[in-house]
Parts: sequence; structure tokens; C-alpha cells
Amino acid sequence: NAGVTQTPKFRVLKTGQSMTLLCAQDMNHEYMYWYRQDPGMGLRLIHYSVGEGTTAKGEVPDGYNVSRLKKQNFLLGLESAAPSQTSVYFCASTLGTSPTDTQYFGPGTRLTVL
Amino acid sequence: GQNIDQPTEMTATEGAIVQINCTYQTSGFNGLFWYQQHAGEAPTFLSYNVLDGLEEKGRFSSFLSRSKGYSYLLLKELQMKDSASYLCAVSGRSGGSYIPTFGRGTSLIVHP
Repeated sequence: NAGVTQTPKFRVLKTGQSMTLLCAQDMNHEYMYWYRQDPGMGLRLIHYSVGEGTTAKGEVPDGYNVSRLKKQNFLLGLESAAPSQTSVYFCASTLGTSPTDTQYFGPGTRLTVL
Repeated sequence: GQNIDQPTEMTATEGAIVQINCTYQTSGFNGLFWYQQHAGEAPTFLSYNVLDGLEEKGRFSSFLSRSKGYSYLLLKELQMKDSASYLCAVSGRSGGSYIPTFGRGTSLIVHP
């Protein structure tokens, strides 16, 4: 099992450009999450999905959109990138929401917006 | 909403014991988790607590008091490789689901 994978690992964008980050999991997990991590800010939830075809907003959703067309994939889109979106983005998944269903994280995507 | 507080940074000596505290306020508590994150890497799961008391896993233990909204992670026999950020996360109700919220993390520096 590959677990949770993220594509790409690094990316540099210019202000106003768009891009999509891909997260894939092969564990048949129902829940998937997108976080951003900034220095001193911990992990902040952007959007999450409780199953194929359903998404919901997290703590910091503005400027991002998501889609979960297939159970194993969770896409994060930036329509018009801004320097404030420079961050490390982590995807995670869980089987469900039982306390024993721990989160598995992908390796992260380091995004710089110039 | 949820509010989680943990110290920003701690230092300790190799071989010693260190306790990292986490206080929280949440609606619909469904569990508290501790993760370890080394610099430049993804977080990895360490432990979870649902009921009050101490959970022990080798050198690491985690304690929970739900009535006080308090948890701590205890690391014994510290090793240099334990230098990392330790994240406290609380699972609370958000809409119809239980969603984890993370604290800002505690950076632990272990020195010889």
C-alpha cells in the first residue's frame, strides 16, 4: 500500500495563476482532509470530505475549492493564487471518525506564490 | 468552535523526562490525539485518549482529564531523535461529523 500520496511535492506559482493539488489514498478511507501549515500556526483545516461526492468547508476555506469525484482522490484547487497562500499543504485521510480511526498524512506539497 | 492551547517551545536534556501540556475547549468531544512531526516531514500518529486516565506506549504516555479539558504527553528517556514538533488534536463535532482540530504544536528541542 502506498498510503496517502500527494502531487506535486513542490511548486512555484506567480500571483494570479491557478493550480490543482492531487491527493490519493489506497486504503479505502471515507474521510479526506486538506490542511495548510504555516510557521507558528499549526495545521489549519481548509476543506474536508466525508465521502465520494461530498465536501465541506473547514476553518480557512477562502480562495480554495475542492472536489471528491472518486473515493480515493481529493483535489484542492487554487483558482487565482495569492502570496498569502504560500504554505505547506498536507492531505490526510481516515477510515471514519471513531477515535481509533487515526489520520494518515501525505508527505506534503510545498507551494510558493510570488 | 474549538480552542486548543499548548506551549510553543520546550527544551530538555537527553535521558530526561518531559511533559507537554495541552488544554482545550470543544463541543462534542470525541477523542484527543497526539502526533509527532519532524522538520520537513508529515505528522505521524503517537497516541489517542477517549476516556480519562493514562495510556502508555513504550517511552510515550498520554493522559486525559475530560472534566478539566486537559491532556499531557509524557516522554521518558529522551533521545536526540525525539527533537520534533508535537501536535495536540481534539476531535469535536462539526455539523454532522467529528472533525479533528489541531493545536499550534510544541517544538521540543533535546540537547546532549
